[in-house]
Amino acid sequence: EPEVTQTPSHQVTQMGQEVILRCVPISNHLYFYWYRQILGQKVEFLVSFYNNEISEKSEIFDDQFSVERPDGSNFTLKIRSTKLEDSAMYFCATSLSLREQYFGPGTRLTVT
Amino acid sequence: GDSVTQMEGPVTLSEEAFLTINCTYTATGYPSLFWYVQYPGEGLQLLLKATKADDKGSNKGFEATYRKETTSFHLEKGSVQVSDSAVYFCALSDPTSGTYKYIFGTGTRLKVLA
Repeated sequence: EPEVTQTPSHQVTQMGQEVILRCVPISNHLYFYWYRQILGQKVEFLVSFYNNEISEKSEIFDDQFSVERPDGSNFTLKIRSTKLEDSAMYFCATSLSLREQYFGPGTRLTVT
Repeated sequence: GDSVTQMEGPVTLSEEAFLTINCTYTATGYPSLFWYVQYPGEGLQLLLKATKADDKGSNKGFEATYRKETTSFHLEKGSVQVSDSAVYFCALSDPTSGTYKYIFGTGTRLKVLA
């Protein structure tokens, strides 16, 4: 069964550094999402992406965040200058028809 | 805006007990509803879903019925096992949002004792 993959599984970075989280969607899926889950809290929507542009973003998704599909397959989330409060699990999700999203296993980001 | 409310956890049950985790929602349209399960240190796994009123989603002995009149989607299982210990998230996807983004509840931790 096709699945969404994410790399790395765990990223440790220092405050102020840039990080790029990568996601490989299920092939032929058209809609892409990033969510984040701070430890012990609920999963929160960050951004949705369709047709090579952002279709919706949350208040969390400020100027330090960006997303792109650099090579038509990977879907990346970049955090330009990480803060301690960016420490969280980041989930990528993809969808073919908007009716159901398939989640990746997540990347645990630890900012020290 | 749209929201999902779940019962507070943790819920602690003995093996073979009956499980109910309450979930209610607020949405402007006619959302699809989901239950996801998260085992320790792992990602989100779809447990079951329902896309319209009166639909019943079921999987691995878990069930939930989409109740439009009470805006609820309560998760039930007749006999829990130790292996069901996890955090359970209720979520909705509202088509009126345009992007069908998911709105999650806060999660309910279930602990099943042998």
